[in-house]
Amino acid sequence: DAGVTQSPTHLIKTRGQQVTLRCSPKSGHDTVSWYQQALGQGPQFIFQYYEEEERQRGNFPDRFSGHQFPNYSSELNVNALLLGDSALYLCASSRASGSHEQYFGPGTRLTVT
Amino acid sequence: DQQVKQNSPSLSVQEGRISILNCDYTNSMFDYFLWYKKYPAEGPTFLISISSIKDKNEDGRFTVFLNKSAKHLSLHIVPSQPGDSAVYFCAASALNTGTASKLTFGTGTRLQVTL
Repeated sequence: DAGVTQSPTHLIKTRGQQVTLRCSPKSGHDTVSWYQQALGQGPQFIFQYYEEEERQRGNFPDRFSGHQFPNYSSELNVNALLLGDSALYLCASSRASGSHEQYFGPGTRLTVT
Repeated sequence: DQQVKQNSPSLSVQEGRISILNCDYTNSMFDYFLWYKKYPAEGPTFLISISSIKDKNEDGRFTVFLNKSAKHLSLHIVPSQPGDSAVYFCAASALNTGTASKLTFGTGTRLQVTL
């Protein structure tokens, strides 16, 4: 049973560019949440997708957008990249219906130069 | 506004001894608390959790204590083993009806278990 998978593992982009990160949830999970972890900080909630809709959103600008597909996989898009967007991006999956535990993927390390 | 705080960035404990990691929170709406463990180059791994209706939850060597009046929780690891060396994150959530909860994390405590 595969856990949460993310691609790519590492990515280097230039300021102003756009990036797409991908996530496949754990089998049986229907909800995907995205988190940003800056160096020395804890993960910060970006947004959550369920039934192909954004259900909750953290304090992130509109440059951050996402999508969920019918097979529950998800993408995170970031436009007009800033140096401050350099971070580890974590995807977590869970079941809806009042679930608290989330299971994380290994993350994508994004470096913006 | 840091709603979940882990005030000790690091902790060093001898193998076999008890490790105690602390966490404080400010948001009274939080009703569920989780601990995650993170190794370098890996995502956080769920360790143990506790609902606000309990004050203790135990799973093998790991026990989490919750003091609601003080808005404080702690993770006890007994006995500590070298493989426990990792960064430990405290997280909190408030249940949303019909959707999964979002997690609010602390900044983490790096635990080093020495021989």
